[in-house]
Amino acid sequence: EPEVTQTPSHQVTQMGQEVILRCVPISNHLYFYWYRQILGQKVEFLVSFYNNEISEKSEIFDDQFSVERPDGSNFTLKIRSTKLEDSAMYFCASSAVGELFFGEGSRLTVL
Amino acid sequence: AQSVTQLGSHVSVSEGALVLLRCNYSSSVPPYLFWYVQYPNQGLQLLLKYTSAATLVKGINGFEAEFKKSETSFHLTKPSAHMSDAAEYFCAVSAGGSNYKLTFGKGTLLTVNP
Repeated sequence: EPEVTQTPSHQVTQMGQEVILRCVPISNHLYFYWYRQILGQKVEFLVSFYNNEISEKSEIFDDQFSVERPDGSNFTLKIRSTKLEDSAMYFCASSAVGELFFGEGSRLTVL
Repeated sequence: AQSVTQLGSHVSVSEGALVLLRCNYSSSVPPYLFWYVQYPNQGLQLLLKYTSAATLVKGINGFEAEFKKSETSFHLTKPSAHMSDAAEYFCAVSAGGSNYKLTFGKGTLLTVNP
């Protein structure tokens, strides 16, 4: 069964460092998303991406964040200069029509 | 704008007992509603969804949910809990159509006791 894959599963970084989280969406999907879940809190929408551009973003998704689809398969989330409060589980998702398929998440720990 | 409230951050039931996880929503447009399940160290898996067709929706693993517009609710039920149902359950709402910007509730952790 096709699935969304995310790497790394866990990354530990120092505050101020750049982080790139990678996602391989399901191959025929056209819509891509990043969500995050801070420990003990809700899963929150960050950004949606369609046709090689951001279609919607939340207020969380400030200038420190960027997304890119550098080739035909990967979808990346970059955090330019990490803060302690960026520590969370980051979920990638993709959809064609009908439902979102989520990856298993990348846990980011910022020290 | 949409929001979701899940009543009860933790629900504990005995194996074989009824499972009832509560979800109330707020939406300025006719909503699409979803229940997701998250097993430990795994991603979010769709259990079922309501997209303006039948109000009683059946999902995987014997779960179902009923959309009640008058009560703005979308509670998740299962007649008989199984040990394998122990997980965290998230209710989510979207504005519908091709918009899958989901607004999630805080989640309910379901514990199933033998």
